[in-house]
Amino acid sequence: AQSVAQPEDQVNVAEGNPLTVKCTYSVSGNPYLFWYVQYPNRGLQFLLKYITGDNLVKGSYGFEAEFNKSQTSFHLKKPSALVSDSALYFCAVRGLDNFNKFYFGSGTKLNVKP
Amino acid sequence: GAVVSQHPSRVICKSGTSVKIECRSLDFQATTMFWYRQFPKQSLMLMATSNEGSKATYEQGVEKDKFLINHASLTLSTLTVTSAHPEDSSFYICSARERTSGGFSSYNEQFFGPGTRLTVL
Repeated sequence: AQSVAQPEDQVNVAEGNPLTVKCTYSVSGNPYLFWYVQYPNRGLQFLLKYITGDNLVKGSYGFEAEFNKSQTSFHLKKPSALVSDSALYFCAVRGLDNFNKFYFGSGTKLNVKP
Repeated sequence: GAVVSQHPSRVICKSGTSVKIECRSLDFQATTMFWYRQFPKQSLMLMATSNEGSKATYEQGVEKDKFLINHASLTLSTLTVTSAHPEDSSFYICSARERTSGGFSSYNEQFFGPGTRLTVL
């Protein structure tokens, strides 16, 4: 079985400060991990993915994520938050039994205050 | 590239009517598309996998006769909510995986449409 967990329903950060949105995974094999962002009444936009290689993955809009195998985590980070980063963020893992199937976390609402 | 569109963006219908939602891959071929349902403040739940030229694969608990899926071409999949009821009101999102020249890569992310807000009165 495979799953991801996002322990925080909401994260609040001031503009200009670094942000972290947490994600932990549970996969029996090598995980393929993804981060997506969703703005209100919109579909999901792809941010970045980890397949293999460097543990630090750089993605769109200045976001990056660090894959940590020992802690089974894939936290999303950004050095300096923008108000426009306020949105809903989803972590996802690709299925091992069915690689077409993505398992999404419950989502974390990021609020960046000016 | 890799743009997925949905139509309509929002629809309001009366209970008992059927509603069709279209999902199109605009600049790539998508032999496989996915339909998700998202309730307010919740994550996406995969409803079914739509395969071009064959029957859709439904997730456990999803009624096949209720949610009809047709994938008639390499760029179009449709979801029809039949005899809609208020409990079917939700945000429906489709996604597609881009087929590369070498076939599907397990590395490929899914590209999502903007979603359709369905409200059944």
